[in-house]
Amino acid sequence: NAGVTQTPKFQVLKTGQSMTLQCAQDMNHEYMSWYRQDPGMGLRLIHYSVGAGITDQGEVPNGYNVSRSTTEDFPLRLLSAAPSQTSVYFCASSRDSLNTGELFFGEGSRLTVL
Amino acid sequence: AQSVAQPEDQVNVAEGNPLTVKCTYSVSGNPYLFWYVQYPNRGLQFLLKYITGDNLVKGSYGFEAEFNKSQTSFHLKKPSALVSDSALYFCAVRDSGVSNYQLIWGAGTKLIIKP
Repeated sequence: NAGVTQTPKFQVLKTGQSMTLQCAQDMNHEYMSWYRQDPGMGLRLIHYSVGAGITDQGEVPNGYNVSRSTTEDFPLRLLSAAPSQTSVYFCASSRDSLNTGELFFGEGSRLTVL
Repeated sequence: AQSVAQPEDQVNVAEGNPLTVKCTYSVSGNPYLFWYVQYPNRGLQFLLKYITGDNLVKGSYGFEAEFNKSQTSFHLKKPSALVSDSALYFCAVRDSGVSNYQLIWGAGTKLIIKP
């Protein structure tokens, strides 16, 4: 069981560059989300999706785009990287639109923006 | 406003002793409460949840948590700590009366178990 798979695990970018963090899940979960984790700040929700073709903004969406063309994939795009986007990014999915079900997390993608 | 507080940045416990990691919350409706654990350089893993029913919830790795509605708390406990329990623990809440598909997260508590 692969669960939630994120790639790449590590990435270094220069300010202004763009990139896409990939996320795929094989559990047929409708709900998928992206978080960033910064020291002392816990997890902050960037974007989420409750099904293919449906996305919405979370707490900190600026500078990020998402799309959900399939149930399995939920890529996160950084449009023009800034040093403030240096963080660890986690993709997570849930089976019942986050009603009472728990989240399943990927291993994380550590991004450094110089 | 919805919020979660984990008042301790770090908790130190000797191996074999009982441990408690504290969590208090504020929501307007009925809470759905969760605990997650994060080991170094890993993603978060679900430990346990309270949705309804018995106030004492048992979860993975021998952990349990008690829902206290009057004190708006959901403290994580374990009777006998192991060195392998050392990790970062997060409490999260969802307001059952709000359909915004979002969890509110605490800032995390680092648990250190000393041999």
